[in-house]
Amino acid sequence: ETGVTQTPRHLVMGMTNKKSLKCEQHLGHNAMYWYKQSAKKPLELMFVYNFKEQTENNSVPSRFSPECPNSSHLFLHLHTLQPEDSALYLCASSQVGGAGEQYFGPGTRLTVT
Amino acid sequence: AQSVTQLGSHVSVSEGALVLLRCNYSSSVPPYLFWYVQYPNQGLQLLLKYTTGATLVKGINGFEAEFKKSETSFHLTKPSAHMSDAAEYFCAVSDLSGANSKLTFGKGITLSVRP
Repeated sequence: ETGVTQTPRHLVMGMTNKKSLKCEQHLGHNAMYWYKQSAKKPLELMFVYNFKEQTENNSVPSRFSPECPNSSHLFLHLHTLQPEDSALYLCASSQVGGAGEQYFGPGTRLTVT
Repeated sequence: AQSVTQLGSHVSVSEGALVLLRCNYSSSVPPYLFWYVQYPNQGLQLLLKYTTGATLVKGINGFEAEFKKSETSFHLTKPSAHMSDAAEYFCAVSDLSGANSKLTFGKGITLSVRP
């Protein structure tokens, strides 16, 4: 595998379900990010992790729970979501101390029913 | 604080025509600037970046962008559009001032290419 991978690519879940999104980066980076991309809205940064420590949470509802066990893996645990949470969830990684460019995974298309 | 402005939401060009996508930025420090492309149901792919040095930067797929400090601009161009260029394009500026390295994105612009 190369670059940034995300699984699953598509997910349909009910409002009472619990599911997790997984992201893995194969670039040797040490910062990882979760973004939410909704139709007709700008890209929203949700969480930032540096060296597996959470360094930013942009007022994300607690029904989204991130986990970063190491610098290569990032999870987003989902529970009791709302229909407005339906979106494309993107993971990205970057190198701390670099120019700031981020490399993105293909995203998980989430539909909450 | 950094900000990025991409005016308009949609640009349509004919195949073979010049592509020009505009980006203006605001930054309190010398900026690092980026263009990303997103194809439907995919993630963002880095097209090119400006950090320091030459102000005209070349990227993948024949795109280039020129950093103009006096105009606070970083417009993206391609001499001849191809049908495969149809996608959404995002300009971004890097914010390295805090503990986190973050990107501030523009709202994106959709490029359509007419046959």
